[in-house]
Amino acid sequence: AQTVTQSQPEMSVQEAETVTLSCTYDTSESDYYLFWYKQPPSRQMILVIRQEAYKQQNATENRFSVNFQKAAKSFSLKISDSQLGDAAMYFCALPSETYQLIWGAGTKLIIKP
Amino acid sequence: DAGVTQSPTHLIKTRGQQVTLRCSPKSGHDTVSWYQQALGQGPQFIFQYYEEEERQRGNFPDRFSGHQFPNYSSELNVNALLLGDSALYLCASSHTSFQGSPLHFGNGTRLTVT
Repeated sequence: AQTVTQSQPEMSVQEAETVTLSCTYDTSESDYYLFWYKQPPSRQMILVIRQEAYKQQNATENRFSVNFQKAAKSFSLKISDSQLGDAAMYFCALPSETYQLIWGAGTKLIIKP
Repeated sequence: DAGVTQSPTHLIKTRGQQVTLRCSPKSGHDTVSWYQQALGQGPQFIFQYYEEEERQRGNFPDRFSGHQFPNYSSELNVNALLLGDSALYLCASSHTSFQGSPLHFGNGTRLTVT
């Protein structure tokens, strides 16, 4: 069975600093996608970044980047120059064989001004 | 370009009652998925609709049912409500069913069962 594990229930970072959120997963697929979503207090789940497993290059979206280690089944999210608006729950997600998303438990990110 | 819209925003029901939640997908999307998110947890997949049929279903009882209309909008129905059904219900849409197709979510419906 596919699983997604986020071992950090809560992380805090000083504004303008860099923070890394961890995610590990398990799948028997060789080709798959991985996602990071954020959920601010407004409740809407927003896509942050997507990684294709067959691509060696780590995905980057402005201040957000991933460290994708396929062999280790690790998919961490790095947020550079943290801003107050980055405060949210962050979820790592992996599509199942039937394309529904399998979600981690989430990491609450607190930004200290 | 309107995103995913859900209604109502909040809902309070009594145990044993029935509830209907509604979702309009993002323009151009034909697949709608429903998720239940308990407080402090990640979303749990309920089911997915495509071409007006339930294509996939998660581990939810038959009290949870749905429908998709020809315009791709969708409803989630829950019968015989239990206290444990209190949660945020998220609707997500995507274009067809492609593993890498990102889901676009609505703001959710907060259901409270008393």
